[in-house]
Amino acid sequence: ETGVTQSPTHLIKTRGQQVTLRCSSQSGHNTVSWYQQALGQGPQFIFQYYREEENGRGNFPPRFSGLQFPNYSSELNVNALELDDSALYLCASSLVQGGRNEQFFGPGTRLTVL
Amino acid sequence: SQQGEEDPQALSIQEGENATMNCSYKTSINNLQWYRQNSGRGLVHLILIRSNEREKHSGRLRVTLDTSKKSSSLLITASRAADTASYFCATGVIQGAQKLVFGQGTRLTINP
Repeated sequence: ETGVTQSPTHLIKTRGQQVTLRCSSQSGHNTVSWYQQALGQGPQFIFQYYREEENGRGNFPPRFSGLQFPNYSSELNVNALELDDSALYLCASSLVQGGRNEQFFGPGTRLTVL
Repeated sequence: SQQGEEDPQALSIQEGENATMNCSYKTSINNLQWYRQNSGRGLVHLILIRSNEREKHSGRLRVTLDTSKKSSSLLITASRAADTASYFCATGVIQGAQKLVFGQGTRLTINP
């Protein structure tokens, strides 16, 4: 158990819809990162939030957006869903300190876009 | 795009044997981490090795890092059925964010 929780566990949407995924960080962590993992692939970095601001972004279009709240929980929003957005979405929390960057992952949200 | 490559992509061994997985990467790193994932669920952090370290141990796990060859290996000794999972190496890079760049993983199967 990492103490990182995500909701919902599973979600089915249709093309063009919008989705919001949620993540609660591990206690004491100040940074949240989101990753997309397509079937059979390794996770790919979407973006990271530190102190409620986006701190870096991977190669994802602007329709992927996020928020971090004062309690360090976070949301990932995806607009205009496409079939290729079907994936496992992983949230990871960490304490940015001394360059160690050990990230602790939640169980993920499985998104299916039909 | 993926930074690293794990080798082999799949590995099947008998319980009690040792399992070795390799990872190569392309750019300079701050650290390298290994994760385990069971059946498409969340990732479990196994071990972190800094760029200035060469070897690290944790229980039945041994990780080596060769920055000159840009490669790392994960050794699991005395494997158990519960070790069946996918194993990923992830390089810690700092590009604004302190992000992890994952390889495609090694699927390890331990046969009883």
